[in-house]
Amino acid sequence: GQNIDQPTEMTATEGAIVQINCTYQTSGFNGLFWYQQHAGEAPTFLSYNVLDGLEEKGRFSSFLSRSKGYSYLLLKELQMKDSASYLCAVEGQGGYQKVTFGTGTKLQVIP
Amino acid sequence: NAGVTQTPKFRVLKTGQSMTLLCAQDMNHEYMYWYRQDPGMGLRLIHYSVGEGTTAKGEVPDGYNVSRLKKQNFLLGLESAAPSQTSVYFCASSTWTGGLGSNEQFFGPGTRLTVL
Repeated sequence: GQNIDQPTEMTATEGAIVQINCTYQTSGFNGLFWYQQHAGEAPTFLSYNVLDGLEEKGRFSSFLSRSKGYSYLLLKELQMKDSASYLCAVEGQGGYQKVTFGTGTKLQVIP
Repeated sequence: NAGVTQTPKFRVLKTGQSMTLLCAQDMNHEYMYWYRQDPGMGLRLIHYSVGEGTTAKGEVPDGYNVSRLKKQNFLLGLESAAPSQTSVYFCASSTWTGGLGSNEQFFGPGTRLTVL
């Protein structure tokens, strides 16, 4: 099975940088997703890491260490609209795209 | 393209009533999923489908049934609703990229179900 751990809540200041960590223990691993979910809305895809290292996409970057079972999402130049929950999700192995989601980190951006 | 749509958006049921949630996608995706999301629990997989005519159980399948008669539609049924099924239900779809890229899931807007 999969066990995914991420902080429940974080607060950061507009314009700052914030790092949201995710650790996982899995019986099989293909890759790791990050999704953003605004309150009352559906999750939307942010990033996908398969190999170790940092993937940068605009203000958002995602890092993966497969050997350590660790990932983080880095948000730069925070904006008020970045206030949302960020879901870490692990894609396992096994013939279809089985994804296990963490409980999410609720980020509040304050002025 | 509408992406993934869900019907209805809101519903209130009494204990013991039945209902069907409809999910439709216009992206020709092979895989479709039903999740429920509860506070502090995250998204949990109820049932999924890897193609037309095939369905399988996820993490929390009890009390639910599904059908995938057409590739673009995935139905979730509650035969006898219980208060424990009060939740937000999300449908999602994805396709297989053959390892060439991300197989991200595209989510519908959700159905907010209350069972009294």
